[in-house]
Amino acid sequence: EDQVTQSPEALRLQEGESSSLNCSYTVSGLRGLFWYRQDPGKGPEFLFTLYSAGEEKEKERLKATLTKKESFLHITAPKPEDSATYLCAVHDQAGTALIFGKGTTLSVSS
Amino acid sequence: NAGVTQTPKFRVLKTGQSMTLLCAQDMNHEYMYWYRQDPGMGLRLIHYSVGEGTTAKGEVPDGYNVSRLKKQNFLLGLESAAPSQTSVYFCASSYGPTPETQYFGPGTRLLVL
Repeated sequence: EDQVTQSPEALRLQEGESSSLNCSYTVSGLRGLFWYRQDPGKGPEFLFTLYSAGEEKEKERLKATLTKKESFLHITAPKPEDSATYLCAVHDQAGTALIFGKGTTLSVSS
Repeated sequence: NAGVTQTPKFRVLKTGQSMTLLCAQDMNHEYMYWYRQDPGMGLRLIHYSVGEGTTAKGEVPDGYNVSRLKKQNFLLGLESAAPSQTSVYFCASSYGPTPETQYFGPGTRLLVL
């Protein structure tokens, strides 16, 4: 069964304290792994798509990496505005639907 | 571009009532999706459409119906609402199947009493 597991469930950081979020997945024939950011009361906002092991993508203080079994979202020197829930998703075997993890809620305090 | 919009933003229903949630996109996307998000469950696919006039079941389709009469609109209907359908509903759209990116709307919060 295709699965996506994110850890930790919640993460509290001080401003400037770098850390990483983990997304482990099991799916046959990965075609894409997606990272989204979700603010309270809002819809998920697309961040990155990773297609193959070894690939990396960056956006401001965020960097996403991918291996054959997991993906990491590295947050460098976070700011309070980075506080949000970060969602990871992979496609199902049919390639139509996304299977989402439960998310990691990040809180950054100043 | 407005992207993906959803109507209404919030609704309260009594058990047994019916309602329709509307999703509209202005990106000329072929694919559209309805998800529900519940605490501790993550987003789960209800129904999806791969083009005008088509619909298909997702992971949790029971109690819902959908229609895609126009390319830009995707409707989600609840014929007889149940408390278990209390959730936040998100619509999404994409140019095509994975790995095309899915873009999400702002959500509809539904409370069934």
